[in-house]
Amino acid sequence: DTGVSQDPRHKITKRGQNVTFRCDPISEHNRLYWYRQTLGQGPEFLTYFQNEAQLEKSRLLSDRFSAERPKGSFSTLEIQRTEQGDSAMYLCASSSRLVTYEQYFGPGTRLTVT
Amino acid sequence: AQSVSQHNHHVILSEAASLELGCNYSYGGTVNLFWYVQYPGQHLQLLLKYFSGDPLVKGIKGFEAEFIKSKFSFNLRKPSVQWSDTAEYFCAVKANAGNMLTFGGGTRLMVKP
Repeated sequence: DTGVSQDPRHKITKRGQNVTFRCDPISEHNRLYWYRQTLGQGPEFLTYFQNEAQLEKSRLLSDRFSAERPKGSFSTLEIQRTEQGDSAMYLCASSSRLVTYEQYFGPGTRLTVT
Repeated sequence: AQSVSQHNHHVILSEAASLELGCNYSYGGTVNLFWYVQYPGQHLQLLLKYFSGDPLVKGIKGFEAEFIKSKFSFNLRKPSVQWSDTAEYFCAVKANAGNMLTFGGGTRLMVKP
């Protein structure tokens, strides 16, 4: 399968712990996006990378959140000192340099903070 | 900043019924418009998109959508739904010069066999 992959698919953590998620975009896609989706809502944009550069961040991305894409391939999203309000599905998407508008989504990582 | 409203949160139809899901957006500039679908247990998939030109766009599985600029709307339609269309449907907008998608809250469609 050459789609966007995310790991882990599910994560349960206790409040105050740090968690890290990984996203592997479609090969050769240079643009990568993170979104968050809570129950009953549509996805909300968090941040965007073009190659290794993080070019856009939402106000939703508090200082407890950090995202990286060190070599312009996979990306990680870390949440420090998790809170119950961080419980959500974290989605990753990628798009190519030629068809930048068409974002392909991964299966998501479901985070539950207890 | 752009916003998207989907007025129908839950829709229940019988097979062969016609479908129309409403989507309205708020943004003053040029936009690109999308409908995504999420089947049970699966990830978001692009159903169709509008960029420019013919305001009536056709997507996969017999879906189509019409962009009405004066109404800031991009409604999704299908003449005859099937049980396999049971899914959640999301309308999304992207500013032409931007990168992020702004999604509506979604419409959960259930098609009864």
